[in-house]
Amino acid sequence: NAGVMQNPRHLVRRRGQEARLRCSPMKGHSHVYWYRQLPEEGLKFMVYLQKENIIDESGMPKERFSAEFPKEGPSILRIQQVVRGDSAAYFCASSPPRTSGRIGQETQYFGPGTRLLVL
Amino acid sequence: LAKTTQPISMDSYEGQEVNITCSHNNIATNDYITWYQQFPSQGPRFIIQGYKTKVTNEVASLFIPADRKSSTLSLPRVSLSDTAVYYCLVGAPALKNAGNMLTFGGGTRLMVKP
Repeated sequence: NAGVMQNPRHLVRRRGQEARLRCSPMKGHSHVYWYRQLPEEGLKFMVYLQKENIIDESGMPKERFSAEFPKEGPSILRIQQVVRGDSAAYFCASSPPRTSGRIGQETQYFGPGTRLLVL
Repeated sequence: LAKTTQPISMDSYEGQEVNITCSHNNIATNDYITWYQQFPSQGPRFIIQGYKTKVTNEVASLFIPADRKSSTLSLPRVSLSDTAVYYCLVGAPALKNAGNMLTFGGGTRLMVKP
C-alpha cells in the first residue's frame, strides 16, 4: 500500500509565478490536510479537505492560496503570484474517513513534503 | 483550546530511556493525545495515541495521568536513529474552524549521542 505521495519534491519559482503542489492520499483515505513548515518551526495547519469539499480552511491565507481535492485525481495546493515569504516545506497528510466529530484524532499519514523556494 | 507545551530540546545517549513530557492544561473531555516524530527533510510520522492511563506499542509508551493535563512519551533504549523532533498534538474540541488546533507547535528536538 503506497504511502502519501507528493510532487514535486522540490519546486523553484520566481516571484510572481504560480506554484502547484500535488498530493495523492493513501488508498482508501478520503481526507487530506495541508500544512506549511518554515525552517526550524513546527507545522502550521492550512486546510482540511474531503473529496470535492473544503471542510476547514481557517489556516490558509485569504489571498493567493487555494486548495482543491477533486473527485478524481490528487489534491492540489495552488499558490498564485508567489513571494519570497512563501518559501517553505509544504506537507500533505491523509487520513481515513472520520469516526468521530473531532479532527486531530484520526491518525494522519504524512507525505515527504514539497520544498518550495521562491527566488 | 488545547494548547500544548513541550521542552524545546533534549539530549540523551544511546541505550538510555527518554521521557518527553507535554503539557496540555486545557485539554477537552473527549480529546485524544497523539505524538508524531519528524526526521529532517521528511514528513511527520505517527508514533502513538492515547486517551488516558497508559498505551504501549512496539515503538513507545504513552503515560497520561488521571487529570490528563499532561502526557509523557517514553522511548526505551534510544539509538542514534531516534534523533528527531517529537510533536505532541491534542485533538480539536470542535469540527468547525478547528483547523488551527492542528498546529503542531515547535516540538521537542531530541539529540541522541553515541
